[in-house]
Amino acid sequence: ETGVTQTPRHLVMGMTNKKSLKCEQHLGHNAMYWYKQSAKKPLELMFVYNFKEQTENNSVPSRFSPECPNSSHLFLHLHTLQPEDSALYLCASSQPRDRLSSDEQFFGPGTRLTVL
Amino acid sequence: EDKVVQSPLSLVVHEGDTVTLNCSYEVTNFRSLLWYKQEKKAPTFLFMLTSSGIEKKSGRLSSILDKKELSSILNITATQTGDSAIYLCAAVPYGGSQGNLIFGKGTKLSVKP
Repeated sequence: ETGVTQTPRHLVMGMTNKKSLKCEQHLGHNAMYWYKQSAKKPLELMFVYNFKEQTENNSVPSRFSPECPNSSHLFLHLHTLQPEDSALYLCASSQPRDRLSSDEQFFGPGTRLTVL
Repeated sequence: EDKVVQSPLSLVVHEGDTVTLNCSYEVTNFRSLLWYKQEKKAPTFLFMLTSSGIEKKSGRLSSILDKKELSSILNITATQTGDSAIYLCAAVPYGGSQGNLIFGKGTKLSVKP
């Protein structure tokens, strides 16, 4: 088990449902990320939080809504998703970027999301 | 536009073989290159490379960066079935926002007994 946990591990939802993905890191990091991993595509960065402040939103549709209540927890709220949103959603954390070692990100196991 | 290209996209070998995975990058203000191994779940960190020509080694895995050629290779010697995974390469530029890793599509390695 890594220092980054994600729940649930699998999620099936209809297009009208509202659900949330949860990520928790036990590494004392101050930066957390959401990535989307689709088949045959590179990992896509969705959101970045640095010291609980959102610093990046890579043109993600508003049906994905992140929340970072503290440096250890990160949520991704899902609402009226589309079938093409089915993917593996990975959470990661790292130290702040002012140190070279911070380039390494530690990933959680992901949530496999299927939208029907 | 910054991008990372990995090759081959998939590879099938037999146990004991040696494999070389390639990663090339086009990144403005290159800072570092990361290799990850992804089995069924979380990508796990393998190497971070910042200096050209210096090999990093961990057991049967090694990696080296060539800044002149804008590329890196990951070598795995005496492969085992447990090496079967997707190997991800990511380039990190200076500037931009925190966490701006640019990933390639990955190389899927299958090691047959």
